[in-house]
This record gives sequence, structure tokens and C-alpha cells, in this order.
Amino acid sequence: DAKTTQPPSMDCAEGRAANLPCNHSTISGNEYVYWYRQIHSQGPQYIIHGLKNNETNEMASLIITEDRKSSTLILPHATLRDTAVYYCIVRRLGGNQFYFGTGTSLTVIP
Amino acid sequence: DTEVTQTPKHLVMGMTNKKSLKCEQHMGHRAMYWYKQKAKKPPELMFVYSYEKLSINESVPSRFSPECPNSSLLNLHLHALQPEDSALYLCASSPGFNSPLHFGNGTRLTVT
Repeated sequence: DAKTTQPPSMDCAEGRAANLPCNHSTISGNEYVYWYRQIHSQGPQYIIHGLKNNETNEMASLIITEDRKSSTLILPHATLRDTAVYYCIVRRLGGNQFYFGTGTSLTVIP
Repeated sequence: DTEVTQTPKHLVMGMTNKKSLKCEQHMGHRAMYWYKQKAKKPPELMFVYSYEKLSINESVPSRFSPECPNSSLLNLHLHALQPEDSALYLCASSPGFNSPLHFGNGTRLTVT
């Protein structure tokens, strides 16, 4: 499965949009991009996933570039409860592996 | 709240003890996973079960022994652990391999 690269940390002001980038330049055509977050001392929480089209749900939006080599997770109005480590994961369609990268530690500042 | 339940939440064991971690889900998911997470590190995949059969073993030492007695239950049997095995052990499940994983909140294990 393709490897992902994320910035180790980011800050975001409360109420503003948080844009978290992920590079997956070796992604294959049958690999999905998944985003999870982990709040301290809890299990990872699913946020969103996509293949090539942009996706939106009640938590976030996922923007995947046309060449699929990178993506951005957007939290439209960050709150203090969004402070967490965010993981971008690439997973092969039908693949049983699910490997976490190093993630981005997002701190939402009041 | 999580639909994947892990027990116990905390466990302290000596290096000569035998203990088991338990994971339960009643969502009808057919794939189940064990991860190990050290402090400030991402979760590391240990084992994957598919339809109650071991699908992946990521070269985990034999002192960790997984078991999937039925489609709702996943155990991790621990024996002769080392202090460096102290970590958060996470269980996850998914309907299949094209679906997101649902994680429990883990068992915090301390080996003394």
C-alpha cells in the first residue's frame, strides 16, 4: 500500500477552517484515502474516505487532487474538541491491511 | 461511546503472568484487528482476522497469541511479556475489507 506523508503538527484558531494536508504520491488507482483522528487516550475515530472524487459528510470534507497524489482534510469550523492527532491512510480496495502513518497533531487554539 | 468494547480498560501484569485481552462487537462485522500503540506513536498492526480465520500476522512474537472464537469476539492471550510490551492495545472491526474500521478505546497494558 502507498505511503503517506503529513506535517507533524499544526495549529488552527477556533472557529476557523482547519486544512490538513496529506501527500500520497505513490498511490495506485485502486487505493482509497482514509482519514481518522485520535483524541488522547481514545481509539481512532473514522472521519471520511474517498477514491478520487471530493467527499463531504457531517464531520469534514475531503479534497483529493486530480492526479490523486495528495489530499486535504477540511474541518470547516474547528472547535477545541477537534484537537487530536489526524491520520491519513491509503488502503488498497479489498485489502486487509490498514497501516497508520505518523499523523498530524492538530491543536485548536481559543 | 464505541460499538467495539474492550476489556479490561487497564491491566498490570508481571512478566511471568498469563492474561487475556478481550474485544467484542455485535455489529455483524467479519473482519477484526489487533493493534499495538506506544506513547506518541501511531497504532501498529499486529493481527487481522477474516471470517474467524487469521489473515495477517505482522511477525508478532509468539508471547502474543490471538484467538477468534466466534464472529463477535476477539481475544489476545498474553504470556511471558516484557516491560517493553507495555502499550495501548487497540481492537477494531469492519464489515469487510472495503469498509472503514471501527475502533475500541483500547486496553492500557503495563508489564512490570
